[in-house]
Amino acid sequence: QQQVKQSPQSLIVQKGGISIINCAYENTAFDYFPWYQQFPGKGPALLIAIRPDVSEKKEGRFTISFNKSAKQFSLHIMDSQPGDSATYFCAATAGAGSYQLTFGKGTKLSVIP
Amino acid sequence: SQTIHQWPATLVQPVGSPLSLECTVEGTSNPNLYWYRQAAGRGLQLLFYSVGIGQISSEVPQNLSASRPQDRQFILSSKKLLLSDSGFYLCAWNEGFYEQYFGPGTRLTVT
Repeated sequence: QQQVKQSPQSLIVQKGGISIINCAYENTAFDYFPWYQQFPGKGPALLIAIRPDVSEKKEGRFTISFNKSAKQFSLHIMDSQPGDSATYFCAATAGAGSYQLTFGKGTKLSVIP
Repeated sequence: SQTIHQWPATLVQPVGSPLSLECTVEGTSNPNLYWYRQAAGRGLQLLFYSVGIGQISSEVPQNLSASRPQDRQFILSSKKLLLSDSGFYLCAWNEGFYEQYFGPGTRLTVT
C-alpha cells in the first residue's frame, strides 16, 4: 500500500514533443505529490509538486495532472528540450506525522534533437 | 537561503573498511535530516531520518548507522563495509513534512 508505481521506465521523445510520465498510488492518506528531476551524478532536484485539492498545476513547461478518484498523477513536459534529458521520479507522502517520501522507481527521459 | 553540503563527493573503499559520510545544512534551524541510498539505475531508498539532535530513526536494518551530533550535521557510518554498500548516498533536509531538498550526493564504491 505504500508503493508508488511509475511508468514508463524509459522514454524517448523528439525535441519539441510532449513527454508524459505516469504514477499511481494506493495509499489514500497520501496528500502531497512532488516530482524530482535528477541529472547523472547529481542529487534529485524538486521540480514541481501538487496537493490533492487541485487537479492540475503548471509551472512553465511542466504540468502535473492529478486524478484523485483514480489515484493517479502524471507529469507532462511540453516542448521537450534536450536539456530536459534526465531521470524523473514521482513521490508521495502522507504529510503530517509522516517523514517518509515514497518514491517511484524513476523514468529515464531522453529528448533527441 | 538554505544550502546542503555533502562530502566527500566520491569515495573508493575496500571491503571491511570503515565509512564516514558527512552532511551539513546551512541557513535553517532544527531541520529534519535524511539519508538515502540510490543503487545504480534504481530508485531512492530511505535509510535513516532525524527530527532533532541525537534522534535517529532507521528504516532499513543493515550494517550502516547514523548520528546527528549537531543541529545541522548528519553523519552516516559503517564499521565494516560490504560490497553491497556501494551506491550513491544522498542527504536531504526539510522543515515539516513535505518538500525535501537533496544534497549533491556521495558516490561510494566498495572494492
